[in-house]
Amino acid sequence: GAGVSQSPSNKVTEKGKDVELRCDPISGHTALYWYRQSLGQGLEFLIYFQGNSAPDKSGLPSDRFSAERTGGSVSTLTIQRTQQEDSAVYLCASSLAGGTGNSYTFGSGTRLTVV
Amino acid sequence: GESVGLHLPTLSVQEGDNSIINCAYSNSASDYFIWYKQESGKGPQFIIDIRSNMDKRQGQRVTVLLNKTVKHLSLQIAATQPGDSAVYFCAETFTGYSTLTFGKGTMLLVSP
Repeated sequence: GAGVSQSPSNKVTEKGKDVELRCDPISGHTALYWYRQSLGQGLEFLIYFQGNSAPDKSGLPSDRFSAERTGGSVSTLTIQRTQQEDSAVYLCASSLAGGTGNSYTFGSGTRLTVV
Repeated sequence: GESVGLHLPTLSVQEGDNSIINCAYSNSASDYFIWYKQESGKGPQFIIDIRSNMDKRQGQRVTVLLNKTVKHLSLQIAATQPGDSAVYFCAETFTGYSTLTFGKGTMLLVSP
């Protein structure tokens, strides 16, 4: 597609519920990243996918967070048993390849509110 | 761990002024830096990048300066316009590492 598409744009969920956030990267981009942006804060790295390699999950804050990328394209970030501190904007980005020298193209994010 | 930081959380300027947004980084191994602009409700948008073998790089109305001696990065915006109002982030990475580390951001407010 023309850009990185994320859905939903907004999600309000009750504490304890599971949520799924979707990211459609730019066609042909082999690298995909998830970041979290809390109010007034910078971007916190969550997870990185590169081609068929095992993902870098080093940024996931707890085992309630998981992500997958099917067919090297669409990615889903799942948060189980949501907590209020999970409220944030979840940003997805893609790039032509991983590694130094490739800037990301970001989606507009999913604003998650846990009530 | 090491991270990128910014000196000023908010910068207010008048339309037509030149703006300078600063960023300090602490990872001496970082060799690639990017500035992003984030408007309200949108994802960050690439502005300009610079590699560590350069001190300066210019784009349209924007210039990035890199001082490796003091680990300092700046973004200069010439003739600032109201449309430049946004949060600006610097980000860093280094060869062999696949993800970017972002600073907290500086909000630029441009008054007409």
